[in-house]
Amino acid sequence: AQRVTQPEKLLSVFKGAPVELKCNYSYSGSPELFWYVQYSRQRLQLLLRHISRESIKGFTADLNKGETSFHLKKPFAQEEDSAMYYCALSDNYGQNFVFGPGTRLSVLP
Amino acid sequence: AAGVIQSPRHLIKEKRETATLKCYPIPRHDTVYWYQQGPGQDPQFLISFYEKMQSDKGSIPDRFSAQQFSDYHSELNMSSLELGDSALYFCASSRFGGEVGYTFGSGTRLTVV
Repeated sequence: AQRVTQPEKLLSVFKGAPVELKCNYSYSGSPELFWYVQYSRQRLQLLLRHISRESIKGFTADLNKGETSFHLKKPFAQEEDSAMYYCALSDNYGQNFVFGPGTRLSVLP
Repeated sequence: AAGVIQSPRHLIKEKRETATLKCYPIPRHDTVYWYQQGPGQDPQFLISFYEKMQSDKGSIPDRFSAQQFSDYHSELNMSSLELGDSALYFCASSRFGGEVGYTFGSGTRLTVV
């Protein structure tokens, strides 16, 4: 069964510090991986997807098939990065979309 | 632990029929969100409710309506179904109007034929 885990419920870092939000998945195949962000009281927004290999708002994520991970990283956290971050996966047909439980990132001044 | 429950899991309807999707939030969650995800697309926000009142509205067609009941469960009513309505419909719940993040349901897959 496919599953997404985010082991940290809460991650607090100081402004300017590096950030890594962990995401591991289980899937019998080659999934598509995504990161979504939800700022307080706002809608879910797509942050990035692994197939595009983009860097959005300074965040990057590399798919490691050997470790079945898709960790989200940013070298220098900003206060405005404080939000909930959700890792998600789907199969290659956009079916069976599964969200992780989310990690709350708190960037302290 | 209890999660967000969506019912039914799968639904097949014909064009022009109606459908009702249900979402049961986590106990003590007061906020419900509905998202629609078409094949190969990102989730699109439809509508949300906080304390039984509509709190935000996205790209929800006029043929759709939704409400949140006194027990905080929510129903999405879809009428005059079109082929393009075939999608995965996610519900998510939260507390305090979304301040503490979402918990997602597994979705209802609607197929319109």
